[in-house]
Order: sequence, then C-alpha cells, then structure tokens
Amino acid sequence: GDSVTQMEGPVTLSEEAFLTINCTYTATGYPSLFWYVQYPGEGLQLLLKATKADDKGSNKGFEATYRKETTSFHLEKGSVQVSDSAVYFCALKRGSNFGNEKLTFGTGTRLTIIP
Amino acid sequence: AAGVIQSPRHLIKEKRETATLKCYPIPRHDTVYWYQQGPGQDPQFLISFYEKMQSDKGSIPDRFSAQQFSDYHSELNMSSLELGDSALYFCASSPGTDTQYFGPGTRLTVL
Repeated sequence: GDSVTQMEGPVTLSEEAFLTINCTYTATGYPSLFWYVQYPGEGLQLLLKATKADDKGSNKGFEATYRKETTSFHLEKGSVQVSDSAVYFCALKRGSNFGNEKLTFGTGTRLTIIP
Repeated sequence: AAGVIQSPRHLIKEKRETATLKCYPIPRHDTVYWYQQGPGQDPQFLISFYEKMQSDKGSIPDRFSAQQFSDYHSELNMSSLELGDSALYFCASSPGTDTQYFGPGTRLTVL
C-alpha cells in the first residue's frame, strides 16, 4: 500500500538557519504530493503541493520538488523564523475519482525554532 | 475566505456513550473527508463522501457511521465510545478532485 516516511523529529534550529525535512514515499502510479503544517491547537493547513514529477511547490519561503527518481519530496527553507515552529506533515494522494482521493500522511516532524 | 467549520470544537463523553460530530464544508465544495488523529499520531483516513454518497472507506470502526446531507454538510456518528476513541477528528472538504482543505478539528475526550 501507499506510505510516506518522514525524517524523525523533533528538530530544533536557531532562527535564520537553513531547514530541510526529508520525505520519501511509496506508491504506485503518479501520486500528488503535499506538505501540510499544523500549529499548536489548530487544524492542518496546506503549505504547498506538487502534482507531477519535477514540479516545485513553494509558499512562504518554503519549497519542495517532486523527485520521481528518488521518490522524494523534501521540504526546504533558506532562513527559518520563530513563527515557523509547528508540526509538518508530508502527504500523498492517489486517485482521480471524486471522493476517492484520501490522503496518506507521514508521521509528522515537530520543528522548534529558537531565537 | 470561508473555511471548513466543525462543531463542536471540544467534546467530553463517558465510555459507552454516543457522540455526533458535524462538518460544514466550504461553499461549493461537494466532497468531504473525515480523518482521525490520535495523540502524537498522523491523521488516518476514516471515510469520504461525494455528492451525498459514500465514496471511500478507511479504517473506520463499525461503531462509527457517517453521512452527507443535501446541503453537503456531513455528520460522523460514534456509538459505544471507548477510551481509544479519544482523538482529534478532522473534516476536510474539496471541490471534487483537488486540494483538501481542513477544518480546525473536534477534540473528543472519552473518560
């Protein structure tokens, strides 16, 4: 079945440091890939997505490139801020039928940025 | 912009009681997904609906049932609650085959 593997956390960085959170996936076909962020006590917010190989998703300084050859979708940011502290989930979606596109999530990576 | 609305936000129940969680999708979104997130866990897919019909089913216990109504809102009914049902329950809506937008979740605590 489908699965997503994320680097284990927690991850603690200093403000303005470079961030990489690794994500690899196992799935048949051509899934769409997502990064969701969850701030304390809140729901999941879509951070970025990519729907086909070599696509790059970007938002709020975060980037991730869909690499089919390595089945990866690593999240990067050049200079993190304290406000980026949250839990980050990598996820994939297969299927193209209405209502039949459940998301499969990784275990999440808790990121803490210290001033 | 309008977001997904879930109610209640918090719910406390005793074992063996029942609970009903409600989800109001973003206007013009016809697809609803339900997920369960246990403490420190990743969200797990429960069930989904498209145009008021069940379209996919995940690891949802038989004690749980759900439906989508004519106004596209959805309800998750949970009976014979167990301690292990304590979790965050998320609803997500989508305009068909596109990005899922999540609600803030309902935190269910079973005592």
